[in-house]
Amino acid sequence: GQQLNQSPQSMFIQEGEDVSMNCTSSSIFNTWLWYKQDPGEGPVLLIALYKAGELTSNGRLTAQFGITRKDSFLNISASIPSDVGIYFCAGQPLGGSQGNLIFGKGTKLSVKP
Amino acid sequence: ETGVTQTPRHLVMGMTNKKSLKCEQHLGHNAMYWYKQSAKKPLELMFVYNFKEQTENNSVPSRFSPECPNSSHLFLHLHTLQPEDSALYLCASSPLGENYGYTFGSGTRLTVV
Repeated sequence: GQQLNQSPQSMFIQEGEDVSMNCTSSSIFNTWLWYKQDPGEGPVLLIALYKAGELTSNGRLTAQFGITRKDSFLNISASIPSDVGIYFCAGQPLGGSQGNLIFGKGTKLSVKP
Repeated sequence: ETGVTQTPRHLVMGMTNKKSLKCEQHLGHNAMYWYKQSAKKPLELMFVYNFKEQTENNSVPSRFSPECPNSSHLFLHLHTLQPEDSALYLCASSPLGENYGYTFGSGTRLTVV
């Protein structure tokens, strides 16, 4: 089946650092979504992207829908401790049925010891 | 408060037990979903309901039986599960026909012993 490759799998952040993660696919997607999941909770939608090239911000978060429609990235600027958690990309493939979002495996953000 | 409430939050059951997971949403959405989240795997779509009608069953074993009595409530009935079914089960809802992303509940952490 279709898969999303999300990287990195995990990363350590120091307060104030910028963070970047991305998702790629071998097929075209018509929607890209970024979620954050805190321990013991369900994923919460951060940013939704609907057009190729679209760049959208939500506070310190910025995400882009790649021009090829096969990738997306999420940047977090000036990270703070509450940014730790697992970030998931998700996308709806072109021609996909409703509800059939494909999820990446997640990027786990932890605080640098 | 996410608007999607799942109960119970934690469940431990034996392989011969029958139990049910409950989800309710008060967002006015008319599509509801069950997802399975296992460690180190992407979120897996299990079932989709649109206006109480099941529109997708993603090759889920029959020991999982969904029920959607109305647009606000969704159940997942569990019977003779296996230890590998232990996972976080997430319910989500969305407006029908829109790709705004889903609102997830906090999940039920299921352990099969």
